[in-house]
Amino acid sequence: DAKTTQPPSMDCAEGRAANLPCNHSTISGNEYVYWYRQIHSQGPQYIIHGLKNNETNEMASLIITEDRKSSTLILPHATLRDTAVYYCIAYYSYNAGNMLTFGGGTRLMVKP
Amino acid sequence: ETGVTQTPRHLVMGMTNKKSLKCEQHLGHNAMYWYKQSAKKPLELMFVYNFKEQTENNSVPSRFSPECPNSSHLFLHLHTLQPEDSALYLCASSQDGAEKAFFGQGTRLTVV
Repeated sequence: DAKTTQPPSMDCAEGRAANLPCNHSTISGNEYVYWYRQIHSQGPQYIIHGLKNNETNEMASLIITEDRKSSTLILPHATLRDTAVYYCIAYYSYNAGNMLTFGGGTRLMVKP
Repeated sequence: ETGVTQTPRHLVMGMTNKKSLKCEQHLGHNAMYWYKQSAKKPLELMFVYNFKEQTENNSVPSRFSPECPNSSHLFLHLHTLQPEDSALYLCASSQDGAEKAFFGQGTRLTVV
């Protein structure tokens, strides 16, 4: 799996958009970009994933650059409950059992 | 509620004790995983089971012994642990790869 680089921490004001960047300059053509988050002392939670096109779901939006070397996770209206560690993972699933490898992630602090 | 249930949520054990962690999923997934998360460290993959067969063992010490009796249940048997084994142990499951892997809440283990 390609290595990803994320800032170790970010702050965001409550109600504002949180934009979390991720660099994955060595990503291969068949690797997807996945985002998970982990709220303190809980298991990670899937947020969104994409290959080339931008994606949106009820939780967030994912913007992937045209060259696929970086991406941004957008939480449109951050709340205090979005305070968590956010993990960006470049990953290709070729079968069940090829599991995700987590790095250090970005610790997002949403402040009132 | 993610559909993956881990018990117990908290466990304190002595170094000479034998205990087991339990994970149960009713999502119909065919792969289950154990992760370890030590303080201020990324998640470390320990074991992978695919269709009840162990497909990966990431150089985990033999004092950790996994068991997967069926595709819905996964155990982690613990014996003669060390204080440095104190960590959050997370179970996850997925279907046909790790898209949207679902994690349990974890077991917080303290070895005294």
